[in-house]
Amino acid sequence: AQSVTQPDIHITVSEGASLELRCNYSYGATPYLFWYVQSPGQGLQLLLKYFSGDTLVQGIKGFEAEFKRSQSSFNLRKPSVHWSDAAEYFCAVGADNDMRFGAGTRLTVKP
Amino acid sequence: DAGITQSPRYKITETGRQVTLMCHQTWSHSYMFWYRQDLGHGLRLIYYSAAADITDKGEVSDGYVVSRSKTENFPLTLESATRSQTSVYFCASSELRAAAYEQYFGPGTRLTVT
Repeated sequence: AQSVTQPDIHITVSEGASLELRCNYSYGATPYLFWYVQSPGQGLQLLLKYFSGDTLVQGIKGFEAEFKRSQSSFNLRKPSVHWSDAAEYFCAVGADNDMRFGAGTRLTVKP
Repeated sequence: DAGITQSPRYKITETGRQVTLMCHQTWSHSYMFWYRQDLGHGLRLIYYSAAADITDKGEVSDGYVVSRSKTENFPLTLESATRSQTSVYFCASSELRAAAYEQYFGPGTRLTVT
């Protein structure tokens, strides 16, 4: 089965700074890739997804992610972080009728 | 309202009690899922259902039971709750006929077993 790793448990960035959250997966072929965001006390909301085609995908709230096959990575980026981006972010990998989630990265935004 | 709802949002129960968490979706999605979220583990799949009367085990199904008599409902039952089942439980649904596609999540149920 596929697996997904988010190496960073907690990241702190200053408001206005750029952000990159890392996601690595393990699977024999190209899976479906997702980033979800979870605000405190809420369910998960889809930020963006990659199925095929252009390896740079745009999502909601100004986020983008780049699929790099050679590195088995799907890192999430945002050029300028807002205080409202503070949340937990989950990378997910879908393949073989199964979805696996990473352990999550908690983002703290400093004023 | 359209969407996916869960009830109750918070529940405290005692060890050994039976408790049922409810999930309801209004989209007529084929697939529905139950996850538990624990610190350091992300989301782990408990059970999923491909359609009414079709269910299958996930990664951490021991101690849980599900049913799906109607497309829109997918209740999760803890037959005899244990402290290790203290967690936040999320229900999700997917419109596409595969568990590998994007999923839509409910707000979660925080369950505490004392």
